[in-house]
Amino acid sequence: KAGVTQTPRYLIKTRGQQVTLSCSPISGHRSVSWYQQTPGQGLQFLFEYFSETQRNKGNFPGRFSGRQFSNSRSEMNVSTLELGDSALYLCASSFRDRDYGYTFGSGTRLTVV
Amino acid sequence: AQSVAQPEDQVNVAEGNPLTVKCTYSVSGNPYLFWYVQYPNRGLQFLLKYITGDNLVKGSYGFEAEFNKSQTSFHLKKPSALVSDSALYFCAVRDPVRAGQNFVFGPGTRLSVLP
Repeated sequence: KAGVTQTPRYLIKTRGQQVTLSCSPISGHRSVSWYQQTPGQGLQFLFEYFSETQRNKGNFPGRFSGRQFSNSRSEMNVSTLELGDSALYLCASSFRDRDYGYTFGSGTRLTVV
Repeated sequence: AQSVAQPEDQVNVAEGNPLTVKCTYSVSGNPYLFWYVQYPNRGLQFLLKYITGDNLVKGSYGFEAEFNKSQTSFHLKKPSALVSDSALYFCAVRDPVRAGQNFVFGPGTRLSVLP
């Protein structure tokens, strides 16, 4: 059974650009959440999607957005990149809901220069 | 507000010895508590959770954790550590009563098991 797949694994962008990250959850998982991981702030919740609807959103600026498609695949977009957006972005999927336990992907490491 | 503390940045233990990774939490109601492990260059892996029921929860790879409501703790334990257990461990909490609340993760504890 395939795990959570995130693409790309590594990304280097210039300040001011925008970026789109992709996440394919485990087959049958309908809940997808995104987290930002940095050495200073640790893991911070970005948003959660369930059946194409955003169910929760963390305390990030509007430059961070996401969506979920009918096949449960999810994308997150960051516009007008800032140096502080450099982080590991983790996608997590869950079979039923977040309390079932997440399966995380390996993440996309974004570096903004 | 909900919060999680992992008081130790680093825990060192000899292989074969018991290990404990500490976690304390603060929520207004009854918490949902989770432990995850992260190996280098990988995402987090689910170890175990406490939702309700028996205070002693058994999880993957021989790990267990005990929910202690009076001490607001959920320490992760393993009777005999392996070198392969060396990784970064995260405790997470969620208050299910508060609508819209998602998980808050602790800062992580790096476990080193020495051969």
